[in-house]
Amino acid sequence: DQQVKQNSPSLSVQEGRISILNCDYTNSMFDYFLWYKKYPAEGPTFLISISSIKDKNEDGRFTVFLNKSAKHLSLHIVPSQPGDSAVYFCAARERNSGNTPLVFGKGTRLSVIA
Amino acid sequence: KAGVTQTPRYLIKTRGQQVTLSCSPISGHRSVSWYQQTPGQGLQFLFEYFSETQRNKGNFPGRFSGRQFSNSRSEMNVSTLELGDSALYLCASSLRGLSNQPQHFGDGTRLSIL
Repeated sequence: DQQVKQNSPSLSVQEGRISILNCDYTNSMFDYFLWYKKYPAEGPTFLISISSIKDKNEDGRFTVFLNKSAKHLSLHIVPSQPGDSAVYFCAARERNSGNTPLVFGKGTRLSVIA
Repeated sequence: KAGVTQTPRYLIKTRGQQVTLSCSPISGHRSVSWYQQTPGQGLQFLFEYFSETQRNKGNFPGRFSGRQFSNSRSEMNVSTLELGDSALYLCASSLRGLSNQPQHFGDGTRLSIL
């Protein structure tokens, strides 16, 4: 049973436009969410995160939105650049006093067309 | 600041053999997690080590094992290799492995089983 779902395997966007990547989750115990970007032959690179006490977090061109009632988060990239072409993974973690593993979605491949 | 280093980058083995993969975390990071990435399943959590102790374990058979040394370096071992073990194995480190700390990944070891 997939707890973190990225329902769009791929997305194409024109350079300069907004890219919106979506992620849904089922586990109501998740309270920390992250986005990673992965280029071929490299490991995932941490992009941005958000705690469940917030509904928005911004870092430069990247903004993550969290809708807890809908169990949905999204990553907005504005403006999109060709170098943003990569696979984007959404990940989530349960709240507790210790450590729980990250649960990943299967990724969305973003292609930014010049 | 050096990132997470994984060795070797590529490995070819045959069925029935065993393999050991190595991971050096970011300096000062004490938590090391291992993930398996396959095209169909995405990133699946294997186990996490903190201060030389396994703190979490994913749903993998006992053929998959690991350990962590006093300098936080970690090794992962897979015995009696099967064709289905062909995957990219990723190591990630974080400062203390707390729920609200992002994990930083190495570039992985690509293991191919013939």
